Amino acid sequence: GAVVSQHPSRVICKSGTSVKIECRSLDFQATTMFWYRQFPKKSLMLMATSNEGSKATYEQGVEKDKFLINHASLTLSTLTVTSAHPEDSSFYICSARDIAGLTDTQYFGPGTRLTVL
Amino acid sequence: QKEVEQNSGPLSVPEGAIASLNCTYSDRGSQSFFWYRQYSGKSPELIMSIYSNGDKEDGRFTAQLNKASQYVSLLIRDSQPSDSATYLCAVVDNTGRRALTFGSGTRLQVQP
Repeated sequence: GAVVSQHPSRVICKSGTSVKIECRSLDFQATTMFWYRQFPKKSLMLMATSNEGSKATYEQGVEKDKFLINHASLTLSTLTVTSAHPEDSSFYICSARDIAGLTDTQYFGPGTRLTVL
Repeated sequence: QKEVEQNSGPLSVPEGAIASLNCTYSDRGSQSFFWYRQYSGKSPELIMSIYSNGDKEDGRFTAQLNKASQYVSLLIRDSQPSDSATYLCAVVDNTGRRALTFGSGTRLQVQP
């Protein structure tokens, strides 16, 4: 149980293009999903909190117009990196918290490695 | 600024030994604490959660929490080469979103 999938697992794109990353909770419902970014040899940094049916909450310094988040259902959140540039190359990881869970446990997706040329 | 501090390592232990990983946090109101393991190029996987002061054991892993000292630790008994990874300490914030704040991670190397 508690499986979170991400798609795609790896993407290479040209500078200026937009990339959409999907995060799905496969066997549970999640009103809240989180998006993290991890640069090489660094820890995970929270980018935004995705709430089903409402606007995402972005961390300080994260551009909401560049990183578009949509949480369309209780099992799906998407992150779109708009007009991607080489500095956006990173490992993007989502996590989800079980709506029925009594704890704060978050389950992580396998991550999406984005390379912008 | 809420912070979670870890020694980056590497922490090197021989196979079969006990590995001790430590973490301190700044938000005294924190209530939920987690240890994740992350292999290179992979996403974090949950090892242990702990919410109350004291020890919590799960197989070869023991998490220890001391809220008065704002200190969390993870002990790995009978360390195996497959335990070689980066161990991330994470603390849930006290805001409504209940997001995780991660430490920078401790890299563990278990020598065969």
